[in-house]
Amino acid sequence: SQQGEEDPQALSIQEGENATMNCSYKTSINNLQWYRQNSGRGLVHLILIRSNEREKHSGRLRVTLDTSKKSSSLLITASRAADTASYFCAKSLTGGGNKLTFGTGTQLKVEL
Amino acid sequence: SQTIHQWPATLVQPVGSPLSLECTVEGTSNPNLYWYRQAAGRGLQLLFYSVGIGQISSEVPQNLSASRPQDRQFILSSKKLLLSDSGFYLCAWSVLASNEKLFFGSGTQLSVL
Repeated sequence: SQQGEEDPQALSIQEGENATMNCSYKTSINNLQWYRQNSGRGLVHLILIRSNEREKHSGRLRVTLDTSKKSSSLLITASRAADTASYFCAKSLTGGGNKLTFGTGTQLKVEL
Repeated sequence: SQTIHQWPATLVQPVGSPLSLECTVEGTSNPNLYWYRQAAGRGLQLLFYSVGIGQISSEVPQNLSASRPQDRQFILSSKKLLLSDSGFYLCAWSVLASNEKLFFGSGTQLSVL
């Protein structure tokens, strides 16, 4: 079964607003990663947070991890139309070797 | 720098026909290689991964197979395509023995009619 899900499934905001996406998982992880996918293209790695970390920043991206709640969130601040894409979290599960388990993604639309 | 090439970008095949999708990686040695499938509007399902030449792990029973004839070449195949094989296929690589960052190809949109 899927190791958790992202929510919301879809999010529509105005340019300049912040976008928050959440990801939950069911078992312990080594790390959790966020990826971005433009329509019809491959995924691009955005940020990785390890199980012993609580927060990471990269430019306008902020990721938090709460291992007690088995959840993570991705915040995009001051969104732009170019941020329109699908965003996926991927979990490296403890004992899962070199594999990542992806969620179903959040479709973000940023309108002008 | 490392690059990953995946082709073709689009493919329309009749039911029952064979399939061969190829993926090659440049600029790195001994990568982990992966094939994922993405149904429309859905997440990614891991189909196969490989940690070395000739070493293939299958994640789900299906109509597909994978091979790794060379260190940086990963091939996805089928002898007879089914309608349910339609989807967006993505090849990816990561550093050997790493559970970290994946680098994805640009994908192949396969339509089986």
